[in-house]
Parts: sequence; structure tokens; C-alpha cells
Amino acid sequence: EIVLTQSPGTLSLSPGERATLSCRASQSVSSNYLAWYQQKPGQAPRLLIYAASSRATGIPDRFSGSGSGTDFTLTISRLEPEDFAVYFCQQYGNSPRGFTFGPGTKVDIK
Amino acid sequence: QVQLVQSGAEVKKPGASVKVSCKASGYTFSGYYMHWVRQAPGQGLEWMGWINPNSGGTNLEQNFQGRVTMTRDTSITTAYMELRRLRSDDTAVYYCAKGLDHLYHFYGMDVWGQGTTVTVSS
Repeated sequence: EIVLTQSPGTLSLSPGERATLSCRASQSVSSNYLAWYQQKPGQAPRLLIYAASSRATGIPDRFSGSGSGTDFTLTISRLEPEDFAVYFCQQYGNSPRGFTFGPGTKVDIK
Repeated sequence: QVQLVQSGAEVKKPGASVKVSCKASGYTFSGYYMHWVRQAPGQGLEWMGWINPNSGGTNLEQNFQGRVTMTRDTSITTAYMELRRLRSDDTAVYYCAKGLDHLYHFYGMDVWGQGTTVTVSS
């Protein structure tokens, strides 16, 4: 089973700054199988990025995803006040078939 | 608009069962997998499994096999998740979530229900 690790655990930044979030897999993951979600307190997760770099419908272009193999990155180019939240990466595995999530990175206001 | 509306909060005793419903609207229900994901208080996300609403076939995460049943009623575009032999560590928010793509099931989930809080306490 593939295990996802996210770093840092918490990222303290100011509005307008650039955020770089890392997701590392214990084994190589197909880029098609890697997604990113945002979750705010009391809300359901929201899909941001799928297939490592494709933005979901309605997601602003300040969010971008990149990476391949075992190392993936979510970048928020300029933080807006509404971007302070927890971000989870997710991968799909074929053996066993199913999804796993990383532990999350909290982006909070410095 | 595409929407998933879940049933209300539940309080159950250890050993009991709970069945959560998820009413879908705004899209072709049978065309997209429905996933169930849970989140314990202050914790991360845990994928529980999916159901193919077209066939009724399911794929359950190993830890839930034997305790979880996922079903659907296509006539009312509703999916269900039943969890049996509840324990205190099953206390969580349970979400249903629609698969993003009707063919590429590995893309993830694009629409989520509002969540159903299940509390297990004696």
C-alpha cells in the first residue's frame, strides 16, 4: 500500500505570499492518480487539482499542481484570505484498488 | 446544479448499526461512482469505498470489509452506507462524494455531501 507524506505540517504565511506544499509517496504514483483537496473548518473537502496538474472546474489559476513519480507539489501563487485552510493530497492505487489521503498541510495566517 | 444531500446526525451505542443516505441531484446518478469518506474529529480523511450506481458493484477499503455495506436506489437517486458493530473510534463525519469522471475513476471526487456526524457513545 502506498503511503503519502505531506510537508510541512503547518505553513504560516501572509496574504500575497507564495505557498508551496509537498506530497511525497512511498512508491511511484501515476500522475493521473494524484489529486489535491482544500478543506476549511466545518466544510467538506473541495477538489482543487486532479491528474497532478489539472485544475478542477471553477478553481482559480493561482492554484497549480506539478510533479511526478513520488514527489508532487501544490503551489498557491499569491495567497488570498480565503486560501487559509488545510490541504490534502490523495492518490489512487491499483493494488489494492482504492484511494488514500495524505495527513494534510495546514496553511495559516502568519 | 449538482448536489449531494446527506441524512442527519446520528447518535448510536457501541455494537449498533448506522445507515447514512446521500440523495443526488443535477446529474446522471448511474453514470458516476459514489464514494464514502470519513473524518474523525480533528483528523484526516479516510476513504471507505465506492459503489458503482449503475451495477451496484462495490469496492471497499480492506479495513471496512465485513462491517460496511454500500447500496443504492436508482429510482430515487440515493446512495446508502451502512456501518455495523459500531465502536467509539467510528465517531466521525461521514461524507459521500461523487466521482469526477464517468470513465476515469482514479481522478478523485468533485462534489461532496455536507457530511453526516455519527457519534458512538455508551
